[in-house]
Order: sequence, then C-alpha cells, then structure tokens
Amino acid sequence: QQPVQSPQAVILREGEDAVINCSSSKALYSVHWYRQKHGEAPVFLMILLKGGEQKGHEKISASFNEKKQQSSLYLTASQLSYSGTYFCGTSPRDNYGQNFVFGPGTRLSVLP
Amino acid sequence: DGGITQSPKYLFRKEGQNVTLSCEQNLNHDAMYWYRQDPGQGLRLIYYSQIVNDFQKGDIAEGYSVSREKKESFPLTVTSAQKNPTAFYLCAASGREGFQPQHFGDGTRLSIL
Repeated sequence: QQPVQSPQAVILREGEDAVINCSSSKALYSVHWYRQKHGEAPVFLMILLKGGEQKGHEKISASFNEKKQQSSLYLTASQLSYSGTYFCGTSPRDNYGQNFVFGPGTRLSVLP
Repeated sequence: DGGITQSPKYLFRKEGQNVTLSCEQNLNHDAMYWYRQDPGQGLRLIYYSQIVNDFQKGDIAEGYSVSREKKESFPLTVTSAQKNPTAFYLCAASGREGFQPQHFGDGTRLSIL
C-alpha cells in the first residue's frame, strides 16, 4: 500500500525551513528518502530503519517513528539546489521484494 | 565508474510494435527494478528481480516483460499489449536488504509515434 506524503507541494524562500511527512498504514521496517529533479533520475538521500533513529546529511535530516509508522524529512536553511520532488519509499520487511513502495512525492520549490 | 546504464535515452514506438529498453549495472547488486513514471506522478513498480533467472511482477506488469539471464542485465520489453506506453522508465539496482539504497539509471523516455 502506497505511503501518504504531505504536503503535496511547498514553496519556500532561500534560507527557510521545511518539513515533509511520510506515513503508512502498515508497520514499517525501513523508510527511504530520495530527491528527483525535473527530467532526471531520483537521487538517494538517506534510509531510516525501525528503532526511531534520526539521521542527518548536511542540512537535511530525517526521523522515523515506528510506532506511528511515520517519517519526517527536515530541510534546514534551504538552498536553491534543494528544489525538486521528494519521494519516500517504505518497506514492511528487511527484504525488499515487491513490497517496497514509493509515495506520490512532495514538490519543493525554493525561490531566491 | 560504477553505476546503472540505461539505453536508449529516447525511444519511439509505432502501433503494434514491441520495444526493448536496456538496463546494465556494474555495481554487483543482486536486486534490480523497473519503474514507470508518468508526468507529475510517483514511481510505480513494473517488475522486480532479486536473483538471476527469477523475477516478480509489480503493480503494473501487464503489457511488459523482462528477463534476467545475467546479474548485470535486466532488459524490459514493452509489448504491443501495453496500450498507453508513453512514460519515463527508470531502472534501479540495490542490495537485497532493506537498509540498502536503490541506485537509479538516467531513464528512458518512451513515446508513441
């Protein structure tokens, strides 16, 4: 079952912060985050495994609340290069299989 | 450099024609995937393969076929049974465990003539 992402779209000014949420009705083993720029392939950002860990990558970090089956991606002091569509992907088990599903995406636009 | 190579970048299909999209990887990953992406939409799984000579259907496998004769190759055939093939097709590869990321090729854009 496809995870739900919110918001669907967000517009920011350079330097502002944003939060993108990903939630599932199923118990999750892992949540993946990817960013895709228009016409290009998705690029991996980070993976979170069950256990509620938080990860960071420069000014982009994420958390995973396995009790709520929810993950949030935090973009701090956004840069123009952060523009793109952000997808979460979820898996209910440690072996991918066809159970891995991408969310519909959140379109992020960062303006100067 | 290690990566996923998809070809061609652009492909045009005539009515009633089968076309094959190539995907090659040199990452030595076991798992490979084909996704379809329509404009403004997310990625939908067409087929998935975890090992050589084995593959499973994804959510939208109808009208598509695949083979996995070699670990590094996972070609996708779009058959004439797929009535609406116009889309962006992405191939990916990963390790089999859920903590490993998927690495994507640059995609093939398929259109109908």
